[in-house]
Amino acid sequence: KAGVTQTPRYLIKTRGQQVTLSCSPISGHRSVSWYQQTPGQGLQFLFEYFSETQRNKGNFPGRFSGRQFSNSRSEMNVSTLELGDSALYLCASSSGGSYNEQFFGPGTRLTVL
Amino acid sequence: SQQGEEDPQALSIQEGENATMNCSYKTSINNLQWYRQNSGRGLVHLILIRSNEREKHSGRLRVTLDTSKKSSSLLITASRAADTASYFCATDARTYKYIFGTGTRLKVLA
Repeated sequence: KAGVTQTPRYLIKTRGQQVTLSCSPISGHRSVSWYQQTPGQGLQFLFEYFSETQRNKGNFPGRFSGRQFSNSRSEMNVSTLELGDSALYLCASSSGGSYNEQFFGPGTRLTVL
Repeated sequence: SQQGEEDPQALSIQEGENATMNCSYKTSINNLQWYRQNSGRGLVHLILIRSNEREKHSGRLRVTLDTSKKSSSLLITASRAADTASYFCATDARTYKYIFGTGTRLKVLA
């Protein structure tokens, strides 16, 4: 079974631009979660989608948004990029139940200049 | 604030020794998961323990959970240089969002 894939793996943007990151979950998984990892804040939950609906949201500004498609693939968008958005963005997929393991992709390293 | 806090923040041991790291959390949970991360790469799932379980084993890994103390421990036995990584616990706080701890950086010296 193929793992979680994320594209692109690396991205360089400038302040004010917007960016879209993509995540393809493990086949059969209906839940996709997004996390931001920075040296200062650690791993922080952004949001979780299940069957195309946002089921949970973390404490991030509205510049961070996401969506999930009918094939469970998910995209995350960050608008009006700030320097502090530089981070490793990780997505994780799971079956979506209360006791399901989360499997992570390799991440997208975003650098904002 | 973080739901989970790992202790110690860093650990350095010799190959062959056991490594123990602890995780404390704040609210009731459905389950707790442990992950490993190598040098800023993606996280590798190690083990999931449910709130009604007290101990779980997987190969050289042993995880315990004490819900009365809101704490968990991860024991890696007979450590190897390849175990060098950061280890994180994640709890669900009875929701579908996982809160990660601050991590323990483990270094295994050959």
